[in-house]
Amino acid sequence: DGGITQSPKYLFRKEGQNVTLSCEQNLNHDAMYWYRQDPGQGLRLIYYSQIVNDFQKGDIAEGYSVSREKKESFPLTVTSAQKNPTAFYLCASTIGTDYYGYTFGSGTRLTVV
Amino acid sequence: GEDVEQSLFLSVREGDSSVINCTYTDSSSTYLYWYKQEPGAGLQLLTYIFSNMDMKQDQRLTVLLNKKDKHLSLRIADTQTGDSAIYFCAEIPYGNNRLAFGKGNQVVVIP
Repeated sequence: DGGITQSPKYLFRKEGQNVTLSCEQNLNHDAMYWYRQDPGQGLRLIYYSQIVNDFQKGDIAEGYSVSREKKESFPLTVTSAQKNPTAFYLCASTIGTDYYGYTFGSGTRLTVV
Repeated sequence: GEDVEQSLFLSVREGDSSVINCTYTDSSSTYLYWYKQEPGAGLQLLTYIFSNMDMKQDQRLTVLLNKKDKHLSLRIADTQTGDSAIYFCAEIPYGNNRLAFGKGNQVVVIP
């Protein structure tokens, strides 16, 4: 079955550490996205990539980094520069044609301990 | 701008209809979407409507679009306990390939 897989589902990070969230899709989608979700704030775009080896900052990119070395994979690193990283992180992808909308992964909940 | 506004909370009795509203500001949006998020899960695309349509019906779901007022609504008929979730409306403004989401509307179905 095609879909997007995010791992791990739960992640705990000590202050000052970098952590990497995985996002893999086997849908042959061109574009991939990372969103952050906080209670009552909806979804905010962190980074997106429309093609391999290219990515753009979203609305809240500070403290995050990404790479897109393969079409299937778009990992997100939460760096120590991100001051408030505790949140629910969602990865999404789309074929690139507008009206298909996005397909979402099941999310990773990151908690700073 | 890409501002999508939604009210925050709605409770409804099982079997009743529920209506969720959304206001968007970019009149050039070509496509508008409704997503559902169950607790601890990702978002699931429920339905979408093209901007040249006024209404779209899909089983228990009815989407109404008022372009003049930039108002989008989702009506769920015969609401069931499995409909308890957060519902997001979203738009892709013309010339922009990024989805802009509202803050979501939590629907709680009371048995």
